[in-house]
Amino acid sequence: AQSVTQPDIHITVSEGASLELRCNYSYGATPYLFWYVQSPGQGLQLLLKYFSGDTLVQGIKGFEAEFKRSQSSFNLRKPSVHWSDAAEYFCAVAYSGTYKYIFGTGTRLKVLA
Amino acid sequence: DSGVTQTPKHLITATGQRVTLRCSPRSGDLSVYWYQQSLDQGLQFLIQYYNGEERAKGNILERFSAQQFPDLHSELNLSSLELGDSALYFCASSVKSSGGQDTQYFGPGTRLTVL
Repeated sequence: AQSVTQPDIHITVSEGASLELRCNYSYGATPYLFWYVQSPGQGLQLLLKYFSGDTLVQGIKGFEAEFKRSQSSFNLRKPSVHWSDAAEYFCAVAYSGTYKYIFGTGTRLKVLA
Repeated sequence: DSGVTQTPKHLITATGQRVTLRCSPRSGDLSVYWYQQSLDQGLQFLIQYYNGEERAKGNILERFSAQQFPDLHSELNLSSLELGDSALYFCASSVKSSGGQDTQYFGPGTRLTVL
């Protein structure tokens, strides 16, 4: 079955430190990959997406993600975290011709001042 | 702001009742998707409509139904509510009918509490 794994349920980093959130997908076909962020009480905001081409994609708020087919991964990174980045981050995958996104369970990020 | 609107923001009701959640997609988007976010199930796809027609079903209970109207807004109807239906319900919209390269934009959600 198609699935997305976000192995880290919680991550705590200090403000100014670098960040990497992990995401792995299970299916072998070419995936379309997304990262969304959900702030408390808010909806899901699209950070970035990968469809094809350059495997390093840039998103909003200084985030980037790298698609590694050999590792079935699409990890999200940010070189310097800001306190306002504290939120829950969701990785999602879709496949050509399908109708739904499959979401990971999310990673809750806490930022220490 | 994604451009997707959902009303109401919060809904508190009792078991056995029926509620209707409303979603207006982004201008120009023809597809509407409904998702349920709960603590134990995470984010689950419920149903998709494209230009007024049901296109795909996910993990949607028979007590739940949806429709998309000619003006493209959508409503999700939840009936015979149970405590376990308490969740955040998201609507998303996209331009086309299939996933993959069609980006879904999410609304702010409706938080349903069943007492």
